[in-house]
Amino acid sequence: AQKITQTQPGMFVQEKEAVTLDCTYDTSDPSYGLFWYKQPSSGEMIFLIYQGSYDQQNATEGRYSLNFQKARKSANLVISASQLGDSAMYFCAMRESRYSTLTFGKGTMLLVSP
Amino acid sequence: DVKVTQSSRYLVKRTGEKVFLECVQDMDHENMFWYRQDPGLGLRLIYFSYDVKMKEKGDIPEGYSVSREKKERFSLILESASTNQTSMYLCASSLGASVITDTQYFGPGTRLTVL
Repeated sequence: AQKITQTQPGMFVQEKEAVTLDCTYDTSDPSYGLFWYKQPSSGEMIFLIYQGSYDQQNATEGRYSLNFQKARKSANLVISASQLGDSAMYFCAMRESRYSTLTFGKGTMLLVSP
Repeated sequence: DVKVTQSSRYLVKRTGEKVFLECVQDMDHENMFWYRQDPGLGLRLIYFSYDVKMKEKGDIPEGYSVSREKKERFSLILESASTNQTSMYLCASSLGASVITDTQYFGPGTRLTVL
């Protein structure tokens, strides 16, 4: 069974609009961390935001925020005021406390149009 | 800023050749990782290392080996390259703290084509 599921292969959004990229996860570990990465066409994976399983508040980093719903095991990325430069592949990843490695989802391609 | 560099952005090799992919990080990170990325399959972990001369197999180690002689350098070796190893290879490093907040930082990637 997949540990990280990103159900949207692609998303379209207009510039200046907000967009939500979905991520659900599966773990029995009570302690885990969730990460979002951005991969532009150049190929480099860029770390965006982190949410810990015990964090009381949703993480925010500039225009990025994480809608963390623990009971539903979802960690959706919200990008506010989309920009053309946000067009990229976005990956959700999880680290469980018993492992030192990340498990990645298959990614969502976001296209921002003018 | 964390900087992870990879020796080549693009590489073309022939079947059967021995291929070295080099990765260097400048932040004194303990952990280093090698992934391959293929369309529709996402990122898959090949090997990782949590200390000099230490290595652990990831999800898909077959056909690969690694070397970590110095803390800052982690090499991925394809002993005899095959066409099914044509892929994007990504290196990453992390501080190595044994906490879930330990963030991995990635290099620019190497697009390897095996003919």
